[in-house]
Amino acid sequence: IAGITQAPTSQILAAGRRMTLRCTQDMRHNAMYWYRQDLGLGLRLIHYSNTAGTTGKGEVPDGYSVSRANTDDFPLTLASAVPSQTSVYFCASKAQLNTEAFFGQGTRLTVV
Amino acid sequence: KNQVEQSPQSLIILEGKNCTLQCNYTVSPFSNLRWYKQDTGRGPVSLTIMTFSENTKSNGRYTATLDADTKQSSLHITASQLSDSASYICVVSNSNSGYALNFGKGTSLLVTP
Repeated sequence: IAGITQAPTSQILAAGRRMTLRCTQDMRHNAMYWYRQDLGLGLRLIHYSNTAGTTGKGEVPDGYSVSRANTDDFPLTLASAVPSQTSVYFCASKAQLNTEAFFGQGTRLTVV
Repeated sequence: KNQVEQSPQSLIILEGKNCTLQCNYTVSPFSNLRWYKQDTGRGPVSLTIMTFSENTKSNGRYTATLDADTKQSSLHITASQLSDSASYICVVSNSNSGYALNFGKGTSLLVTP
């Protein structure tokens, strides 16, 4: 079934540890996004990629990095996790300018 | 600054009743507006899309309206069901910013028996 997949579904991580959240889509969408969703703040953009080989910073990029080596994958890395990065992370992809964005099922990350 | 404001923040209604959710935006130049439904523990799923030339669009019991002059949109839910309990998010695209999406904080709807 075509779609967008995130892994892991949930994770408890010790502060200071490095963590990579994985995101894969098989719809050949150009654009991919990483958001974090926190209660009362809605979805906030961390990083995005409009096409393979390019990335850009969103609203809350500090402490996070991304890469887009190919069309399908868009991993999000926390180099040294801190408790304020406890959140639910959503990956999304989009084909073209006026098309629907498809979201993954989310990764619930707890940094302790 | 491109902003999307939604109201109310939360809403509780009885099953079978209708409700209307509001979205005001300052995104310019406007490309399109989508309403997403997000069930608890899941990712958002698109309900409707409105472009500049459209002022109403329906998807089953969901009807979205758009007034591009006043930069307002509404989502009307008819004959609500328990399964309508979710967060409804208004998302506005800016035609100058490529694929950029501007999110509202959502309206949390609870439908009770």
